[in-house]
Amino acid sequence: KAGVTQTPRYLIKTRGQQVTLSCSPISGHRSVSWYQQTPGQGLQFLFEYFSETQRNKGNFPGRFSGRQFSNSRSEMNVSTLELGDSALYLCASSPAGTANYGYTFGSGTRLTVV
Amino acid sequence: AQSVSQHNHHVILSEAASLELGCNYSYGGTVNLFWYVQYPGQHLQLLLKYFSGDPLVKGIKGFEAEFIKSKFSFNLRKPSVQWSDTAEYFCAVIPPGGGADGLTFGKGTHLIIQP
Repeated sequence: KAGVTQTPRYLIKTRGQQVTLSCSPISGHRSVSWYQQTPGQGLQFLFEYFSETQRNKGNFPGRFSGRQFSNSRSEMNVSTLELGDSALYLCASSPAGTANYGYTFGSGTRLTVV
Repeated sequence: AQSVSQHNHHVILSEAASLELGCNYSYGGTVNLFWYVQYPGQHLQLLLKYFSGDPLVKGIKGFEAEFIKSKFSFNLRKPSVQWSDTAEYFCAVIPPGGGADGLTFGKGTHLIIQP
């Protein structure tokens, strides 16, 4: 059974650009969550999607957005990149929209903003 | 909103020593609790989880954790650590129905096992 797949693994972008990250959840999983991991702030929740609907959103500016497609794949977009957006972005998938099944994480996309 | 506190940011042990990593959470209701491990250069992997029932849960690689409701704690233990246990360990909580804040993680404990 394939795990959670995130692409690309690494990205280098220039300040002011925008970026799109992709996450394919485990087959059959309908919930996808995104997290940002930095040395200073640790792991922080960005947003969660279930059945193509954003259910919850963390405390991040509107430059961070996402969506989920009918096949449960999700994309995350960051516009007008800032140096502080450099981080490891992790995607987690879960079978359903509750927390009673646990979460499986992907390997992440490491974004560097220069 | 929930919060998680991991008391030890860095722990250094020798092989075969016993391990206990502390985790305390703050939330006014029922929570699901998790311990994740992140080996160098790898993704987060689930060690164990607690949803309900027996408060002593066993996970992979010989790890176990005990949920003490009265203390809002979910400490991770291993009787005898190995060099391969060197990693970052994260405690996380979330209300059973999911939550507006998603999984809330502690800051992590960097564990180094010396051969």
